[in-house]
Amino acid sequence: KNEVEQSPQNLTAQEGEFITINCSYSVGISALHWLQQHPGGGIVSLFMLSSGKKKHGRLIATINIQEKHSSLHITASHPRDSAVYICAVHSNRDDKIIFGKGTRLHILP
Amino acid sequence: KAGVTQTPRYLIKTRGQQVTLSCSPISGHRSVSWYQQTPGQGLQFLFEYFSETQRNKGNFPGRFSGRQFSNSRSEMNVSTLELGDSALYLCASSLVVAPYEQYFGPGTRLTVT
Repeated sequence: KNEVEQSPQNLTAQEGEFITINCSYSVGISALHWLQQHPGGGIVSLFMLSSGKKKHGRLIATINIQEKHSSLHITASHPRDSAVYICAVHSNRDDKIIFGKGTRLHILP
Repeated sequence: KAGVTQTPRYLIKTRGQQVTLSCSPISGHRSVSWYQQTPGQGLQFLFEYFSETQRNKGNFPGRFSGRQFSNSRSEMNVSTLELGDSALYLCASSLVVAPYEQYFGPGTRLTVT
């Protein structure tokens, strides 16, 4: 079983819809990252969280440390949000970063 | 401020050869991490360097090595290339050691034939 699980693996939605991507992890962590990867490979760090909630524009990330779960929400989704979203945790066991397999999001105009 | 740069962007090598990839971090950033991304395994941590010292290493064979220079630039080397080493190699820099927000380079796509 992977130490970082994301769901769903693939998601197709209509422009304007509210999107939720989930991440569950099984290790103790010092931080959790949400990353965005567009076709061509470039990765952008969206959020780094260790507790609570963060908001940037239409993106919101939450984390529940007790439940070992994080969610990434996109409000008023747009075709330019189409990308792979990757959850990564910084393990406090060995100080290494562990990645989820990613969620491929496709927003239809 | 210039972003993280990686050279070369694309590389084709033959099985058994060795390869060196380069990463220049954002000015002022002292930590550089390397990652391998493949369709099957996804993103995997290779190593992290800070102030010219390897701070952490992922679960990769000894054929994978790296180093960091006094100007924080980093190189990674893969010796005796195997077909399975074909991947996108990404480096990321941050001001200090993880956990800290990381800035990723565009990657080097290595194809081993």
